Amino acid sequence: QSALTQPASVSGSPGQSITISCTGTSSDVGGYNYVSWYQQHPGKAPKLMIYEVSNRPSGVSNRFSGSKSGNTASLTISGLQAEDEADYYCSSYTSSSTLLVFGGGTKLTVL
Amino acid sequence: QVQLVQSGAEVKKPGASVKVSCKASGYTFTSYYMHWVRQAPGQGLEWMGIINPSGGSTSYAQKFQGRVTMTRDTSTSTVYMELSSLRSEDTAVYYCARTLGGPDDAFDIWGQGTMVTVSS
Repeated sequence: QSALTQPASVSGSPGQSITISCTGTSSDVGGYNYVSWYQQHPGKAPKLMIYEVSNRPSGVSNRFSGSKSGNTASLTISGLQAEDEADYYCSSYTSSSTLLVFGGGTKLTVL
Repeated sequence: QVQLVQSGAEVKKPGASVKVSCKASGYTFTSYYMHWVRQAPGQGLEWMGIINPSGGSTSYAQKFQGRVTMTRDTSTSTVYMELSSLRSEDTAVYYCARTLGGPDDAFDIWGQGTMVTVSS
């Protein structure tokens, strides 16, 4: 069982927007602004999409945005495209002995 | 360009150890922390631990305490992850990943992954 909770799957049609949630506790998501989101295509290494809750690395499309409210962080993808179909993972720094935790991952299907 | 290149796939028997390498290039090796993350087949990502390439200090996930050792060689800009007492549940792809900033920040550069198969 993962420390952060994500929906197992979400789907949307091209051009639509979707949001993936990531729920933790006050010891991780709610207590720190070190929430990150990663995109992973099959057989590939994860790719950083959002860091520190809402920052996009250079080269990442502005269709990707992040936010946080309380113990829940969210990744929103607007203007869905076929290439967005992938697995998405959130992660957070945690004050527990583990230091860093991941969500269980969400499979995004573009219909 | 900035990249992390990992060693090749390994097949090990239960009880054995495996040592995976991760060679950094394109940046100042000692300026960025390095983490190790693994992913079992069809499963999610699991954090294993972190090493500070500058001083060599480490911190491991409790689950791997006593079985994992992370080291570095500054002369070759390489970090290593050794996992001992392997069991079938350790079959996974192992990734090294560089932090964007401090030890608790995001992973901006990932290695290509190393498949470790544990089978008798």
